Amino acid sequence: EAGVAQSPRYKIIEKRQSVAFWCNPISGHATLYWYQQILGQGPKLLIQFQNNGVVDDSQLPKDRFSAERLKGVDSTLKIQPAKLEDSAVYLCASSYHSNQPQHFGDGTRLSIL
Amino acid sequence: SQQGEEDPQALSIQEGENATMNCSYKTSINNLQWYRQNSGRGLVHLILIRSNEREKHSGRLRVTLDTSKKSSSLLITASRAADTASYFCATGGSNYQLIWGAGTKLIIKP
Repeated sequence: EAGVAQSPRYKIIEKRQSVAFWCNPISGHATLYWYQQILGQGPKLLIQFQNNGVVDDSQLPKDRFSAERLKGVDSTLKIQPAKLEDSAVYLCASSYHSNQPQHFGDGTRLSIL
Repeated sequence: SQQGEEDPQALSIQEGENATMNCSYKTSINNLQWYRQNSGRGLVHLILIRSNEREKHSGRLRVTLDTSKKSSSLLITASRAADTASYFCATGGSNYQLIWGAGTKLIIKP
């Protein structure tokens, strides 16, 4: 089966600019996750979708981050405006159900100048 | 927030030796999962062990879980250069959301 696809792989922007990441999960996976991974740390959940509904966005900085999963398939994560501390790898993962193992994309490495 | 704490933070061994990584956590869990992350790549699921299980095997991997001590260990036998990666434990609670540790960086020397 095709894996989780993410784009772009790398992005460099200046602070206060905006950026968007795209994720295409594995076909048939109802649950989709966006994580932020800072260098040397484990992933931190930003938002979890079940189909096109939000299950948990308690750690999403809603003043600057937004995410949507239209039609319960693809998802986008946006940051506007970006801050220096947003420099990280943004990982998308999907699973058939929330109690099943997660499958990850290779992430987008974001650098803020 | 990170619940799992992996120990050691870094481990360097010779190829062919066994590698053991430990994970401790704080709250009750439904399951505990181990993932591997190669440099610049996403995480890959290795093993899921449920709270009522004590040991699980997959190829050269052996995972143990001691819920009384709130700890788990991952053993990789006969290590290979390709095992060089970071290894993360993640605990799943009643809502099945995963809480991740900071990982163990494993280096296999040829």
